[in-house]
Amino acid sequence: KNQVEQSPQSLIILEGKNCTLQCNYTVSPFSNLRWYKQDTGRGPVSLTIMTFSENTKSNGRYTATLDADTKQSSLHITASQLSDSASYICVVAGGGNKLTFGTGTQLKVEL
Amino acid sequence: NAGVTQTPKFQVLKTGQSMTLQCAQDMNHEYMSWYRQDPGMGLRLIHYSVGAGITDQGEVPNGYNVSRSTTEDFPLRLLSAAPSQTSVYFCASSYSGTAASTDTQYFGPGTRLTVL
Repeated sequence: KNQVEQSPQSLIILEGKNCTLQCNYTVSPFSNLRWYKQDTGRGPVSLTIMTFSENTKSNGRYTATLDADTKQSSLHITASQLSDSASYICVVAGGGNKLTFGTGTQLKVEL
Repeated sequence: NAGVTQTPKFQVLKTGQSMTLQCAQDMNHEYMSWYRQDPGMGLRLIHYSVGAGITDQGEVPNGYNVSRSTTEDFPLRLLSAAPSQTSVYFCASSYSGTAASTDTQYFGPGTRLTVL
């Protein structure tokens, strides 16, 4: 069964600190892995998309890594800001032309 | 570009009522899809379309109908609303619908539906 597991479920950090969110998947065959940011009451917004051959990709203060051998990905947020407070969703494409969504990590950045 | 728009933003229905959730995009995307998002669960695909006149079922299609008469619009119809359909509904579009594609998928702002 295709699954995407994210950890932690929720996280609180102080503004200016860094944090790393984890994503483990069992989707096979693998096509690509996506990270989305979803603000409360809004639709998800794409942050990065990585294929099998890419092991790191950045979008401003967001850096995603991919280890296709261990089927793990991480999203690192540098110098967090209050506006980073959101749910971060890992999505894996593959397994029969499907997208499998994780349940998200809820991040809160506090002063 | 307005991107992906959805109406209404909020809706309350009584059990058995029908309604249509509207979705439109102005990016000339061929692929459009509907998802529902429930607490503690990942987004689940309801129906999708790879172009005008072509639709197909997703993971959770029961109780929903779709049609695609134009490239821009992809309405979702609830035939007879049930409390189990209480959820947040998102419409999305992308240039390509192939999972292997790295085209960005754009989501609308969502419709929060409550069925009493």
